Amino acid sequence: DGGITQSPKYLFRKEGQNVTLSCEQNLNHDAMYWYRQDPGQGLRLIYYSQIVNDFQKGDIAEGYSVSREKKESFPLTVTSAQKNPTAFYLCASSPLPGGWDEQFFGPGTRLTVL
Amino acid sequence: GNSVTQMEGPVTLSEEAFLTINCTYTATGYPSLFWYVQYPGEGLQLLLKATKADDKGSNKGFEATYRKETTSFHLEKGSVQVSDSAVYFCALSDRETSGSRLTFGEGTQLTVNP
Repeated sequence: DGGITQSPKYLFRKEGQNVTLSCEQNLNHDAMYWYRQDPGQGLRLIYYSQIVNDFQKGDIAEGYSVSREKKESFPLTVTSAQKNPTAFYLCASSPLPGGWDEQFFGPGTRLTVL
Repeated sequence: GNSVTQMEGPVTLSEEAFLTINCTYTATGYPSLFWYVQYPGEGLQLLLKATKADDKGSNKGFEATYRKETTSFHLEKGSVQVSDSAVYFCALSDRETSGSRLTFGEGTQLTVNP
């Protein structure tokens, strides 16, 4: 089955630690995205990548980093510089780099900082 | 810049009631418009979309019409079911001004009681 997988589903981290969230897609999509979702709010774009080895900052990139070494993978690292990292993180992909077609979402990772 | 405004929630309805969730947008180009649905603890799923003025998107009994004159994309369903309980997000993609990005509204929580 084609789709987007995110792991783990739940993640706990101590303050001051970096943590990496996995996102893999087998849809052969060019573009991939990371969003953050907080209770009662819409999705906010962290980073996006339209092609391998290239990515751009979104609206709230501070405290996060990404890499895009393979077309199917777009991991997100939440660094200790992120002041309030507890949130639900969603990865998405789209078939066209322009992104004006729909985006397909993974099931999400809920990160809790203890 | 681009923005999406959804009606404030939460919305609570009885089964078989009529549903309207208002969505208005601001965009400088000619956006595509989307409704996504998020069930508890899951990622977002595309519900319907419209790519040009006067287009009507429809899926699973839900409908929305792209109204350029009123910059709106209201979601409607004639008879809701308990299984429709979820959070609904209106979103736009404006390729000319924002490239590979979706702009989301804040989401509307819908609860349908039996």
